[in-house]
Amino acid sequence: AQSVSQHNHHVILSEAASLELGCNYSYGGTVNLFWYVQYPGQHLQLLLKYFSGDPLVKGIKGFEAEFIKSKFSFNLRKPSVQWSDTAEYFCAVKWEYGNKLVFGAGTILRVKS
Amino acid sequence: ETGVTQSPTHLIKTRGQQVTLRCSSQSGHNTVSWYQQALGQGPQFIFQYYREEENGRGNFPPRFSGLQFPNYSSELNVNALELDDSALYLCASSLNDRLANDEQFFGPGTRLTVL
Repeated sequence: AQSVSQHNHHVILSEAASLELGCNYSYGGTVNLFWYVQYPGQHLQLLLKYFSGDPLVKGIKGFEAEFIKSKFSFNLRKPSVQWSDTAEYFCAVKWEYGNKLVFGAGTILRVKS
Repeated sequence: ETGVTQSPTHLIKTRGQQVTLRCSSQSGHNTVSWYQQALGQGPQFIFQYYREEENGRGNFPPRFSGLQFPNYSSELNVNALELDDSALYLCASSLNDRLANDEQFFGPGTRLTVL
């Protein structure tokens, strides 16, 4: 079955620390990959996406993600987090010929100032 | 460009009742997907509508039904509400589901509480 797993449900970091959030999906084939963010009180917003080409994708607010096909992974990174990055982060996958996004359970990030 | 809007923002119902949630898609989009997000979980796909036809359905019972109108707005209807239906219901619109690279834009959601 199609599934997406996120490695950590809660992450607490101090400002300026580096961030890496793990995301793995269940099996191969052609995929579109997404990271969404949900800030407190706001709706889901797209951080970045991968469709094809360079597996290192840059998104908004200094986030980037790397697609490693052999590991079925799409990990999110940021070199230096800020207090304003406090939010819930969701990894989502759309398989070829599918029409739905399959989401991970989310990772709640809290950045201490 | 108007984003995705949903109404109402919050709703409280009792078990056995029926509810209708509404979504207006982003201007120019012809595809609407509905998701259920239970507390502490990621969104789960309910179904998708493309040009007024259902275009895929997730693992939800038939009491979850939907409509899409000629202006591409959409409704989600849930009959015989159960306590487990309490969740945030998200609507997402996209330009064209036939393209592999379409991106879904999410609305703010409707928080449904079933007592």
